[in-house]
Amino acid sequence: GDSVTQMEGPVTLSEEAFLTINCTYTATGYPSLFWYVQYPGEGLQLLLKATKADDKGSNKGFEATYRKETTSFHLEKGSVQVSDSAVYFCALEGGGADGLTFGKGTHLIIQP
Amino acid sequence: NAGVMQNPRHLVRRRGQEARLRCSPVKGHSHVYWYRQLPEEGLKFMVYLQKENIIDESGMPKERFSAEFPKEGPSILRIQQVVRGDSAAYFCASSPRDRDTEAFFGQGTRLTVV
Repeated sequence: GDSVTQMEGPVTLSEEAFLTINCTYTATGYPSLFWYVQYPGEGLQLLLKATKADDKGSNKGFEATYRKETTSFHLEKGSVQVSDSAVYFCALEGGGADGLTFGKGTHLIIQP
Repeated sequence: NAGVMQNPRHLVRRRGQEARLRCSPVKGHSHVYWYRQLPEEGLKFMVYLQKENIIDESGMPKERFSAEFPKEGPSILRIQQVVRGDSAAYFCASSPRDRDTEAFFGQGTRLTVV
């Protein structure tokens, strides 16, 4: 079945550091790929998405490129802020079942 | 400007009791999804409903769990005879159309079974 694997957390960085959160997937067909963010005490919010190979999703300074050859969708940001502290979930849609398939989430902590 | 509303936010039940979790989708959304997040795990799809219909319940445990989305009122996820292993965060998401995965998520209900 479909699955998403993302790097274990927590990830702790200093403000203005470069961020990479790795995400790889296995799926049948050609799934759409997503990054969701969950701030403390809130629900999940869509951060960015890509629907086909080589697409780049971007939002709020975050980027991720759909790499079909490596089945990856790594999340990057050039300069993180304290306000980016949250849990980040990589997800896919388009396999055999309805709904999204999520990774376990990566807790990001940004220190001033 | 109400998003997806879930209640209660926290629910404590003793083993053997029933848990009822409610989800009011974004106004105008007719598609609802329920997910469960166990400790140290990602969100797992449980069930997909449209108004008065269960479309896909492949992620739902076969026993004790049921879901509905009536013509009027919120979607309900019902867990009968809860056990400790049901302790988790349950998230609801809604979208305006089929397989529109820009779904909006609620804040979740954290169920604790004691």
